[in-house]
Amino acid sequence: TQLLEQSPQFLSIQEGENLTVYCNSSSVFSSLQWYRQEPGEGPVLLVTVVTGGEVKKLKRLTFQFGDARKDSSLHITAAQPGDTGLYLCAGRGLTTDSWGKFQFGAGTQVVVTP
Amino acid sequence: KAGVTQTPRYLIKTRGQQVTLSCSPISGHRSVSWYQQTPGQGLQFLFEYFSETQRNKGNFPGRFSGRQFSNSRSEMNVSTLELGDSALYLCASSPGLAGVKTQYFGPGTRLLVL
Repeated sequence: TQLLEQSPQFLSIQEGENLTVYCNSSSVFSSLQWYRQEPGEGPVLLVTVVTGGEVKKLKRLTFQFGDARKDSSLHITAAQPGDTGLYLCAGRGLTTDSWGKFQFGAGTQVVVTP
Repeated sequence: KAGVTQTPRYLIKTRGQQVTLSCSPISGHRSVSWYQQTPGQGLQFLFEYFSETQRNKGNFPGRFSGRQFSNSRSEMNVSTLELGDSALYLCASSPGLAGVKTQYFGPGTRLLVL
């Protein structure tokens, strides 16, 4: 059972279009991270958000952490073929059972065609 | 700095055998975490080691074990392999345990159990 639900599971868009990926949970996290993974490689960290309501921008990527620290979104503006990859969100647990552990979403496969 | 290295990159085993995977973290990093990635379950946390001690553990059976050496290199062992153990095993290194944790992943070891 995935505690972190990512949507959509798959996204195919044309170069220049915008896209948003969502990451939702009923659990509160101390921090939330977004990664991108390409075939044959390990995930690469894009950003860490810590404060509820926090918004971080990295060039064309905008990351938002929900006020209650249970959900997050990743928005890409004017997508490029180089943005193609598996996007993963990961929340760091706060409860006794989940303390310090990262729980990953199932991932969103993004394909950007020229 | 060299990145996280994992050996071997690919491995084929048969049911009932055991396997040992190795991870060398980034120089100076003392924390190593292991994850299992499968298409059905996504990325799942196995365990984390820091200063040669297991600090955190996921929900995997006792067939999965690990250890960390004084130079921070880590190994994980899976005994009595099952078909369902076929997966990409990823290791991630971090400087330490405290604060916002940045994980640097290796390329993974792809294990196929026949």
